[in-house]
Amino acid sequence: NAGVTQTPKFRILKIGQSMTLQCTQDMNHNYMYWYRQDPGMGLKLIYYSVGAGITDKGEVPNGYNVSRSTTEDFPLRLELAAPSQTSVYFCASSSLAGGYEQYFGPGTRLTVT
Amino acid sequence: GDSVTQMEGPVTLSEEAFLTINCTYTATGYPSLFWYVQYPGEGLQLLLKATKADDKGSNKGFEATYRKETTSFHLEKGSVQVSDSAVYFCALAGANNLFFGTGTRLTVIP
Repeated sequence: NAGVTQTPKFRILKIGQSMTLQCTQDMNHNYMYWYRQDPGMGLKLIYYSVGAGITDKGEVPNGYNVSRSTTEDFPLRLELAAPSQTSVYFCASSSLAGGYEQYFGPGTRLTVT
Repeated sequence: GDSVTQMEGPVTLSEEAFLTINCTYTATGYPSLFWYVQYPGEGLQLLLKATKADDKGSNKGFEATYRKETTSFHLEKGSVQVSDSAVYFCALAGANNLFFGTGTRLTVIP
């Protein structure tokens, strides 16, 4: 059982480049999330989705875009990479919101130089 | 708004020592509370949770009690092991997401 998978594991981008972080879950969860984790900080929510075709902004959405065309996939798009987007990105999913456990992927470490 | 304040780290303990990591929260109502653990190079995984006041969550020797009087959810373990070395996050359930504390890095030395 794969759970939540993320690709790539590592990536280095130059300022202004774009890329897509992939996230897939095989648990048939309706809810999916993207977080970023900066050193010494907790996780901050970027975007979330409550089901296919429905997405909404989290706490720190600027500079990112998402889409949710299927239940399984929730890609995160960076259009014009900036050094401030250097971070570790985690995708997560849950069956329901609120008090339900979120399952996390292993993360993508992104460096923008 | 809802938030979590977590004990700053890092924390270094000898094996078999007692562990406490403090967590307090600010929230409307009584949301579910969680402790997540992140081992090196991995994503977060749920350690334990409590869904209502006075509930005690427990797992792998760790415990935390949801105390509404003190708005706290402190993590404790009676005897830590080297394998417990990780970063621990306290979290609070919002309507559609989790609010995380800043994390506490625990290192256990033999």
